[in-house]
Amino acid sequence: AQSVTQLDSQVPVFEEAPVELRCNYSSSVSVYLFWYVQYPNQGLQLLLKYLSGSTLVKGINGFEAEFNKSQTSFHLRKPSVHISDTAEYFCAVEGAQKLVFGQGTRLTINP
Amino acid sequence: DTGVSQNPRHKITKRGQNVTFRCDPISEHNRLYWYRQTLGQGPEFLTYFQNEAQLEKSRLLSDRFSAERPKGSFSTLEIQRTEQGDSAMYLCASSRTSGGSYEQYFGPGTRLTVT
Repeated sequence: AQSVTQLDSQVPVFEEAPVELRCNYSSSVSVYLFWYVQYPNQGLQLLLKYLSGSTLVKGINGFEAEFNKSQTSFHLRKPSVHISDTAEYFCAVEGAQKLVFGQGTRLTINP
Repeated sequence: DTGVSQNPRHKITKRGQNVTFRCDPISEHNRLYWYRQTLGQGPEFLTYFQNEAQLEKSRLLSDRFSAERPKGSFSTLEIQRTEQGDSAMYLCASSRTSGGSYEQYFGPGTRLTVT
């Protein structure tokens, strides 16, 4: 069975500072990993995905993530955050045709 | 590509009433998923369809819940005899089966409040 653990429930950072949101996964099959963002009262928007190939994946809005098989991690990073990045971020792993999500990390940007 | 749409966006109902939600997927997508998201949690899988066939149901989907996708296009999710514990955001997603992983596109969700 697949599972996802997001290690931080909340991450406060200052505007223009770098940020890393941590995600660890468990999967017994081929690993497909995703990061989604959810703005208040909205659905989920795909930020980036890892299917195969290069372990460094670039996504929208300047985000990137690195797949680390030995550490079973898929951490999300951004070198310089903006106020508009304030949102909930979800890491997910695909298993048996469905997504299994972590509990989410709330990213708060302080001016 | 107009995206996944869901109606209504908000629903307030009294305990014991029945409610029905609708999801319209992206037109060329043959898979449709329902997820439930409670406050402060990530979405949890409920069920999914490939075309009109319902291929899997989560144990979270009690016998008060039923989902249909009669013509392989839009889907409805009905909750009978609602309970306060059913209060949540109900998310619909769609994807197409074209090798490898099936990227899912999400709708805006229907927020259900049971009073």
